[in-house]
Amino acid sequence: DTEVTQTPKHLVMGMTNKKSLKCEQHMGHRAMYWYKQKAKKPPELMFVYSYEKLSINESVPSRFSPECPNSSLLNLHLHALQPEDSALYLCASSQEEWTGGTYGYTFGSGTRLTVV
Amino acid sequence: GESVGLHLPTLSVQEGDNSIINCAYSNSASDYFIWYKQESGKGPQFIIDIRSNMDKRQGQRVTVLLNKTVKHLSLQIAATQPGDSAVYFCAENSDSWGKLQFGAGTQVVVTP
Repeated sequence: DTEVTQTPKHLVMGMTNKKSLKCEQHMGHRAMYWYKQKAKKPPELMFVYSYEKLSINESVPSRFSPECPNSSLLNLHLHALQPEDSALYLCASSQEEWTGGTYGYTFGSGTRLTVV
Repeated sequence: GESVGLHLPTLSVQEGDNSIINCAYSNSASDYFIWYKQESGKGPQFIIDIRSNMDKRQGQRVTVLLNKTVKHLSLQIAATQPGDSAVYFCAENSDSWGKLQFGAGTQVVVTP
């Protein structure tokens, strides 16, 4: 299995809702990442987990809360989002933190989030 | 044709022609470079990578060239096909200073 799987693929939520994005990989990668991507822009780093511990938080607002329950799973909990948070949220993994390995950083297909 | 991947320009290529996508990277300490292809509604897909101890690497229909002197990276796609239509991002990384940094991207449109 050489994939990163993200669910759901699409999500529409109100500004008072609480929702979660999920990411899963079974490649034995020990680093996992959350990126945010706006249309026509490159992905922007949000969080990095290394060996299930939060390594980097790129000054992301607290309405985004990451969680790494185990080495294969990464969640992003969402609460009280704003319309400007609407974007494609991408999960990625790599063998070690910031070590690309044989195939670089593997990205999931993303969750298209719309905040209304 | 050529395009510089700084402001998401569009590169129009006729089917069957070769494509050249350029990228100027920012950090002279970067030692690992990746090209990603991103189709509409999908995540970035790994195409090819190159380390700084090389100046050329070839894959299936793709070649990456690295010029460290001028901090320039290019992706050449041979015999471009309609399925090659996508946004292409270069990314740079250093194991020593971390963080994968993406370029702005180039939209490639393949015309019949």
